[in-house]
Amino acid sequence: AQKVTQAQTEISVVEKEDVTLDCVYETRDTTYYLFWYKQPPSGELVFLIRRNSFDEQNEISGRYSWNFQKSTSSFNFTITASQVVDSAVYFCALRHRNQFYFGTGTSLTVIP
Amino acid sequence: NAGVTQTPKFRVLKTGQSMTLLCAQDMNHEYMYWYRQDPGMGLRLIHYSVGEGTTAKGEVPDGYNVSRLKKQNFLLGLESAAPSQTSVYFCASSPLRVLGTGELFFGEGSRLTVL
Repeated sequence: AQKVTQAQTEISVVEKEDVTLDCVYETRDTTYYLFWYKQPPSGELVFLIRRNSFDEQNEISGRYSWNFQKSTSSFNFTITASQVVDSAVYFCALRHRNQFYFGTGTSLTVIP
Repeated sequence: NAGVTQTPKFRVLKTGQSMTLLCAQDMNHEYMYWYRQDPGMGLRLIHYSVGEGTTAKGEVPDGYNVSRLKKQNFLLGLESAAPSQTSVYFCASSPLRVLGTGELFFGEGSRLTVL
């Protein structure tokens, strides 16, 4: 069975602090894909990143970075120097064949 | 630049009424999905389709039916609405890519309230 766990329900940080959102997944497959989505207060779901199971290279995109570790089945997301616009709910997801499995999300509040 | 379009955006129903949510995508994607989002529960898959004329059950299919008569459209039906179906519904599509790498493209969501 596939499962994604985001243990952090809510996080609050002060602007300019760094914050890491945790994601732990479960799957028996050797081929799978992991994703992060952002849902700002306006409600739409925005794709942030995709990572396949064969590529454990960390990725950096501006203030965002992702740390994929197969040994611990984790795909963590770090925001550096957080900004108020980063306030949103963030979802981690696992794609197994034709289905996507989502975690319950982490609500991030960045306090100015 | 439409992407995935859901109609209606908002709807209020009485218990027992029926309705259909329409999802349309203009990206020629093979896969389409219906999710519901409830507080603290993330996104849960209701039904999905891997191509025109095919549908399959997801995690929470009870009380819903779907149809995919045209590749670009995916309809979600509630035959007899119940208060437990009060939720925000998201439609999504995904392209068919080698090794299944496509991400989900979401609609803006439809807020349904069942009284």
